[in-house]
Amino acid sequence: GENVEQHPSTLSVQEGDSAVIKCTYSDSASNYFPWYKQELGKGPQLIIDIRSNVGEKKDQRIAVTLNKTAKHFSLHITETQPEDSAVYFCAARGGSYIPTFGRGTSLIVHP
Amino acid sequence: EAQVTQNPRYLITVTGKKLTVTCSQNMNHEYMSWYRQDPGLGLRQIYYSMNVEVTDKGDVPEGYKVSRKEKRNFPLILESPSPNQTSLYFCATLGRGERTDTQYFGPGTRLTVL
Repeated sequence: GENVEQHPSTLSVQEGDSAVIKCTYSDSASNYFPWYKQELGKGPQLIIDIRSNVGEKKDQRIAVTLNKTAKHFSLHITETQPEDSAVYFCAARGGSYIPTFGRGTSLIVHP
Repeated sequence: EAQVTQNPRYLITVTGKKLTVTCSQNMNHEYMSWYRQDPGLGLRQIYYSMNVEVTDKGDVPEGYKVSRKEKRNFPLILESPSPNQTSLYFCATLGRGERTDTQYFGPGTRLTVL
């Protein structure tokens, strides 16, 4: 089955800096890669996703890149703000409904 | 408003006392699933359901049961809870045929088994 590795497990940055979270996947058939943000006391919420026919996607301060050859994808957050502090999960999904999640990255943005 | 609700949100119980965590969705989604979240282990899938009366095991099904008698509800049953089932539980649904295949998560149920 699919295996998703996510790094780092904890990321601490100063407000205004950029943050990058990286994930690798094992199943070359995976074609959909969502990212979820989990704020304290809440369930994960989709913030951005990318499909395998696209190399990069941006939405304001967040962007995701995908390298199919290397089987890795990354989340980039620019100009970080304290409200970006949360746990972020990457996931990979192939032909089935069932995504495989990474173990999560706790992002801390210091004011 | 698209919503996944879980009850209870917090539960403290004792070993062996059967409990049920309910999950309900208002989006008419066919796919529903249960996850548990533990520190350092991320989200691990317990069970999932592709449609009414269709359920299957996820990665960590031992000690859990589910049922899907109607589309909107997907309860998680712990027949004889043990302390290693102390965890944060999430129910999720999956929307298909939309611009994005978005999973919608409930707010979570914090379970403590003493």
